[in-house]
Amino acid sequence: GENVEQHPSTLSVQEGDSAVIKCTYSDSASNYFPWYKQELGKGPQLIIDIRSNVGEKKDQRIAVTLNKTAKHFSLHITETQPEDSAVYFCAAIRNQAGTALIFGKGTTLSVSS
Amino acid sequence: KAGVTQTPRYLIKTRGQQVTLSCSPISGHRSVSWYQQTPGQGLQFLFEYFSETQRNKGNFPGRFSGRQFSNSRSEMNVSTLELGDSALYLCASSLGSVVTGEYFGPGTRLLVL
Repeated sequence: GENVEQHPSTLSVQEGDSAVIKCTYSDSASNYFPWYKQELGKGPQLIIDIRSNVGEKKDQRIAVTLNKTAKHFSLHITETQPEDSAVYFCAAIRNQAGTALIFGKGTTLSVSS
Repeated sequence: KAGVTQTPRYLIKTRGQQVTLSCSPISGHRSVSWYQQTPGQGLQFLFEYFSETQRNKGNFPGRFSGRQFSNSRSEMNVSTLELGDSALYLCASSLGSVVTGEYFGPGTRLLVL
């Protein structure tokens, strides 16, 4: 089955710096890769996603890139702000029919001002 | 549009008991998935329901079961609770007709004593 590895597990940056989180997946049939942000006491929030037929997607300060050949995808956050501090999860869809997200272990991002 | 709601938010049970958790998806969403979140194992997929049928299932024992009603609301049941079942149980909904990101509720925190 699908396996998703995420690095780093913790990331500390200064306000205004960029942050990059990387994930690799094992199942070449996976075709949808969402990213989630989870704040303390809340459920994960979908922040951006990418499909396997697209190499890059951007939404304001957040971008995601996908390399199908290498089976890895990355989250890029530019001009980080203290409110970006949270746990970020990458995920991949294991099945073609329906939803069965396989998550990475998460990255705790701390943005200090 | 109202988000995903889960009840109850907190539960304390003892070993051997059973528990039922409830989830109301976003209006119009027909797919409901359940995930277990623990510090050690992270986010793990339990099962997904679409149009009252279980469409996908994760690697959890048969003590974990669920169902979906005609209005797309879903319940999850855990029988013969074990200490290791202590976790945050998250419900997520999506349209279900195409593979898209899921929208998570705030979760139910279950503590088994």
